[in-house]
Amino acid sequence: DTEVTQTPKHLVMGMTNKKSLKCEQHMGHRAMYWYKQKAKKPPELMFVYSYEKLSINESVPSRFSPECPNSSLLNLHLHALQPEDSALYLCASSQPGQRTEQYFGPGTRLTVT
Amino acid sequence: SQKIEQNSEALNIQEGKTATLTCNYTNYSPAYLQWYRQDPGRGPVFLLLIRENEKEKRKERLKVTFDTTLKQSLFHITASQPADSATYLCASTSGTYKYIFGTGTRLKVLA
Repeated sequence: DTEVTQTPKHLVMGMTNKKSLKCEQHMGHRAMYWYKQKAKKPPELMFVYSYEKLSINESVPSRFSPECPNSSLLNLHLHALQPEDSALYLCASSQPGQRTEQYFGPGTRLTVT
Repeated sequence: SQKIEQNSEALNIQEGKTATLTCNYTNYSPAYLQWYRQDPGRGPVFLLLIRENEKEKRKERLKVTFDTTLKQSLFHITASQPADSATYLCASTSGTYKYIFGTGTRLKVLA
């Protein structure tokens, strides 16, 4: 199984809401990533978990809170978002190391109203 | 800062021709470069990885080259088809986990 799944596919939330994005992989990968992608721009790295520990936080605002409950699951908790946070949120996984490719999920299209 | 640039934002070519996309990197020397395909509203899909000591890598109609002197990678699609129309991203790692993506080239293959 070479699939990364993400739920939900689409999410509309108000600026006072709390919601969560979910990501799952069953490839045995020990690195998992959250990216944000705006239209016609490349994916922007937000967080990296390696062996279930947070390895990289790219100075992401605290209204985004990642969580890695186990080696297969990755969550992104959202609270008090701004309209400019509307984007495609992508989850990816890989084996640790520079010479490995990433497998991406289909993304969650988030709209903040 | 470390940067990857794809100098064509968009490229239109006729079906059957070879598409050539360019990726240039500055301020670092990646050991590996990767190429991904992304369709609208979907996540990127890995295509090819090439190491700095490999001149060329092929997979079916795809070919990637890596020139460390020019600090450049070229991505070729031979006998292009309308189904090849997508955005193509090059990427590399800075450190173990920090992937940097190029700005992408939107390829359109005209029937």
